[in-house]
Amino acid sequence: QITLKESGPTLVKPTQTLTLTCTFSGFSLNGNGVSVGWIRQPPGKALEWVAVIYWNDDKRYNPSLKSRVTIAKDTSKDQVVLTMTNVDRVDTATYYCARTGGAGYYYTGWDYWGQGAQVTVSS
Amino acid sequence: VLTQSPLSLPVTPGEPASISCRSSESLLDRNGFNYLDWYVQKPGQSPQLLIYMGSSRASGVPDRFSGSGSGTDFTLKISRVEAEDIGIYYCMQALQSLPITFGQGTRLDI
Repeated sequence: QITLKESGPTLVKPTQTLTLTCTFSGFSLNGNGVSVGWIRQPPGKALEWVAVIYWNDDKRYNPSLKSRVTIAKDTSKDQVVLTMTNVDRVDTATYYCARTGGAGYYYTGWDYWGQGAQVTVSS
Repeated sequence: VLTQSPLSLPVTPGEPASISCRSSESLLDRNGFNYLDWYVQKPGQSPQLLIYMGSSRASGVPDRFSGSGSGTDFTLKISRVEAEDIGIYYCMQALQSLPITFGQGTRLDI
């Protein structure tokens, strides 16, 4: 059974650094084509892709967030960590992690999602 | 940029529904596949995958859902809407050469 779960602070002050952890089970991020990514959703707004990390340690970032965001994986712990520096009130959102089971011809879509972690940026 | 229409879609149970998603760039890869997904976010839930690569139905998705299109124009169709289908539907482009982006979402209401 594949599961993903986000964890991290619910409240962060402006200018601080936000660190979110996605802990997953039921698959390996060493598997060819597998990726885990972060998607966020401000209250009442649409989904916005943040970052993704691939089985081969390639990383892609939303160009609008690239200067503030870092994604990393710890395959020994089955975790993916998202770090966002210098947060602002506009970063208030529910942050989801999700996975794809393959790439290229074997792309599966983002087929499993976590329940989401609500993060509020406020002083 | 992905542009969905309509943004709001009132439907009657048993009737069909259709949502359009247009991309500012072609989502057709050199390998012949279109990297356009459809997701639904039901009230209070995480998004869930419906369709990937334009027309492939995800595991467990009822066959009343279908995806079509190629290049820049894509459509999600529900052959007969059921009450459980209410939610916000998003298209998402996943072509490797472009940033991953979502459409604005289409709210489906009974």
